[in-house]
Amino acid sequence: GAVVSQHPSRVICKSGTSVKIECRSLDFQATTMFWYRQFPKQSLMLMATSNEGSKATYEQGVEKDKFLINHASLTLSTLTVTSAHPEDSSFYICSARGTENQPQHFGDGTRLSIL
Amino acid sequence: RKEVEQDPGPFNVPEGATVAFNCTYSNSASQSFFWYRQDCRKEPKLLMSVYSSGNEDGRFTAQLNRASQYISLLIRDSKLSDSATYLCVVRLTGANNLFFGTGTRLTVIP
Repeated sequence: GAVVSQHPSRVICKSGTSVKIECRSLDFQATTMFWYRQFPKQSLMLMATSNEGSKATYEQGVEKDKFLINHASLTLSTLTVTSAHPEDSSFYICSARGTENQPQHFGDGTRLSIL
Repeated sequence: RKEVEQDPGPFNVPEGATVAFNCTYSNSASQSFFWYRQDCRKEPKLLMSVYSSGNEDGRFTAQLNRASQYISLLIRDSKLSDSATYLCVVRLTGANNLFFGTGTRLTVIP
């Protein structure tokens, strides 16, 4: 089945650090990639949608200058959390999809802890 | 109002029991429906899509009621390995993204 690889799986860093998370589709071309965030005991919340070669579309309340998304190829999207603060600590998950009718496949997630 | 609402549980059932989860969605333009399973501190994994006529996959049966805007998941002969959080997920017509419920926590007890 389709595989999405997300890296790193765990990050612990100091406040003010920028953190980059990579999301790769290993065996299919991901036309669209999605970035979600999940706080403890809450649902997955969509942060942004990115199409290869285009600017990402951010959901309301998500700061595009803080969460930089790059989707430069059909197999790679990156999310950079700039100047991270403790309130950014969360579980970040990417998903990828080929064509519109195909299901989303999720990465393993990145647990980000900002001290 | 949330797009998708689920009873968070927890549901604690003995092995071999049958358990059912319901989920309601608010937008009648919802087009696609899914159940995902999420283990603790892991990513969601697709369990099954939900079709209008209802569908079954082994011990799992999913039903969709468009008139009442609810979706159900029935698990028969529960196994210990079924312990997880079950997420109800919908996608709106013409939309890219998925809307997730908060999930229903199931624990199957030996």
